[in-house]
Amino acid sequence: AQTVTQSQPEMSVQEAETVTLSCTYDTSESDYYLFWYKQPPSRQMILVIRQEAYKQQNATENRFSVNFQKAAKSFSLKISDSQLGDAAMYFCAYRSKNNDMRFGAGTRLTVKP
Amino acid sequence: KAGVTQTPRYLIKTRGQQVTLSCSPISGHRSVSWYQQTPGQGLQFLFEYFSETQRNKGNFPGRFSGRQFSNSRSEMNVSTLELGDSALYLCASSPMGTSGRDEQFFGPGTRLTVL
Repeated sequence: AQTVTQSQPEMSVQEAETVTLSCTYDTSESDYYLFWYKQPPSRQMILVIRQEAYKQQNATENRFSVNFQKAAKSFSLKISDSQLGDAAMYFCAYRSKNNDMRFGAGTRLTVKP
Repeated sequence: KAGVTQTPRYLIKTRGQQVTLSCSPISGHRSVSWYQQTPGQGLQFLFEYFSETQRNKGNFPGRFSGRQFSNSRSEMNVSTLELGDSALYLCASSPMGTSGRDEQFFGPGTRLTVL
């Protein structure tokens, strides 16, 4: 079964600085999708960024980018120019082609003013 | 478009009772997935429904069940509640769900407390 590991339960970053959240996963599949979701204190999960495993190019969404290393099964999220509104729980997720979805345990990000 | 809605938002039940939670997906979305979120276990996949059929199922006991109606609205039911069922139950919808690429849109969740 696929597993997703986020080794950093908590991270802290200074406003305007850059922070990287780590995620590794285990799978025997070659085609799958990876996601980073954000869950602010209000609890509604929001998609931050998505990566398709067959694409070698790392996904980017404004201040958010990923470092996807398929051979290493690593999928880290980089947040540049951190803002107070970035404070949230961040979940890394793996989704197989048949829609089996697995989440990591989450990383709580604190942004210091 | 209106987002995913879940009712009720909060629920308190006692052990042994049963509960039904409701999820209305975004209009046009046909796939609905349910997740259980607890501090100890994190986010765990319960099941996914597509066109009124359960397409995927997580590793939960048979006390957890669900269904989907022709309008894509979904309900999940938990029978014989246990204290460990206390959790935030999240519903997520996606357009077709036939490709893992589809973005899932999450609802605000139902907070279930079992006493």
